[in-house]
Amino acid sequence: SAVISQKPSRDICQRGTSLTIQCQVDSQVTMMFWYRQQPGQSLTLIATANQGSEATYESGFVIDKFPISRPNLTFSTLTVSNMSPEDSSIYLCSVGVGGQGYEQYFGPGTRLTVT
Amino acid sequence: EDKVVQSPLSLVVHEGDTVTLNCSYEVTNFRSLLWYKQEKKAPTFLFMLTSSGIEKKSGRLSSILDKKELFSILNITATQTGDSAVYLCAVARNYGQNFVFGPGTRLSVLP
Repeated sequence: SAVISQKPSRDICQRGTSLTIQCQVDSQVTMMFWYRQQPGQSLTLIATANQGSEATYESGFVIDKFPISRPNLTFSTLTVSNMSPEDSSIYLCSVGVGGQGYEQYFGPGTRLTVT
Repeated sequence: EDKVVQSPLSLVVHEGDTVTLNCSYEVTNFRSLLWYKQEKKAPTFLFMLTSSGIEKKSGRLSSILDKKELFSILNITATQTGDSAVYLCAVARNYGQNFVFGPGTRLSVLP
C-alpha cells in the first residue's frame, strides 16, 4: 500500500480564482491519478499523471482548466483554474501500486467550495 | 460506452444482518474489478478481483467475480454500525488507467 497526503484538506474560494492542490506519497510511484467527486456522485477520473510525461486528460476535462504537474515520483499538483460554483467538489489523488498498477490507494481528499 | 452499475443504491439494515451488494459492468479491455469503502472522503481499498470464481475474504467481508456474467458481489456478514459507508465498485481497464467507478451503494447499519 501507500500513504498519501493532500493539502489543503479543505478550502473556500471565490469565483474566478485558482487553487492548487498538492498530493504527496510516501514512496515512489509511477502512476498518479486525480479524481473529482461532486456532491452525491461517484468518482470521476480527471487525468492520469505519470512522471516525465504530460498528463492524460479524460473526456470533458482540459489542461487549461485543470493543469497538473508531476515533477517527481512522489509528488503531484492539480490546479483548479478560474473556479466557478460548479467546481465545488471533493478532489482526490490516488496512486497505482502493484506490478501492473491495478490497485489504487486514495489520498484523504480536498473539499473545495466555490462561492 | 463503458459503465459500471451497482445495486441497490441504498440499503438500510440492522446490526447482525447479512448484506449482498451487487456490481455489474460493461467495460472494454477488462483487467480487474475493485471494491472500496468510502466513509468520509477517501475510499479505502477492500478487494481486487481478477479471476472468476475465486472468493476473496477479509474478516466478515467477502467478494467474488463472475467474468462470464460480468458481475461481482460483495457480502458482509454480521453487519456492525461501523460498516455504514458507501461501497464503491470500480473496474480497471488496461494498465491501471481509466478506472470506471460505479455510483456506489450507501449502506446504513442501524443498532
